[in-house]
Amino acid sequence: EDQVTQSPEALRLQEGESSSLNCSYTVSGLRGLFWYRQDPGKGPEFLFTLYSAGEEKEKERLKATLTKKESFLHITAPKPEDSATYLCAVQAYTGRRALTFGSGTRLQVQP
Amino acid sequence: DVKVTQSSRYLVKRTGEKVFLECVQDMDHENMFWYRQDPGLGLRLIYFSYDVKMKEKGDIPEGYSVSREKKERFSLILESASTNQTSMYLCASDEGTYGYTFGSGTRLTVV
Repeated sequence: EDQVTQSPEALRLQEGESSSLNCSYTVSGLRGLFWYRQDPGKGPEFLFTLYSAGEEKEKERLKATLTKKESFLHITAPKPEDSATYLCAVQAYTGRRALTFGSGTRLQVQP
Repeated sequence: DVKVTQSSRYLVKRTGEKVFLECVQDMDHENMFWYRQDPGLGLRLIYFSYDVKMKEKGDIPEGYSVSREKKERFSLILESASTNQTSMYLCASDEGTYGYTFGSGTRLTVV
């Protein structure tokens, strides 16, 4: 059974204070690992897909990295508008095509 | 951009009512999904569909059914609503490569 564990559950940062969110996963053959951002009361919004260990992707202050067991979402010099819940999900090559999600990390960036 | 539209943002229904949640996507995607999201539990897969008139159970299908008569529309049906079905319901679609596009969600309260 595919499993995704995200840590920490919640994170409070000061504006400009860089940090990382962790996503540990167990999957029977990784097809893709996905990061989403979710604002309160809204649906998740796609950020990145990573396909193989060693891959990195960047978007503004966010950088996602992937190893064989976990992924990190690095946030550099965050701003208050980066406050959101960040969700990680995996998709396996075998079995069903649906994504398996972690519980998310609630990030609050204070001015 | 792909658009996934959920017909209602907020719904309040009574226990025992039959409830229909509608989802429409505008990009001819084959795959569509229904998740529910609860605090601390993350997104859990209820049902998904790979094609018209095809459906597969997810992790928590009990008390739910689905209908996909047309490619663009995927409906979630609560046969007899109960208070433990109070939740945020998220619909998503994808074309198999880049992960999901989500709707804005329907917050359902069963009283």
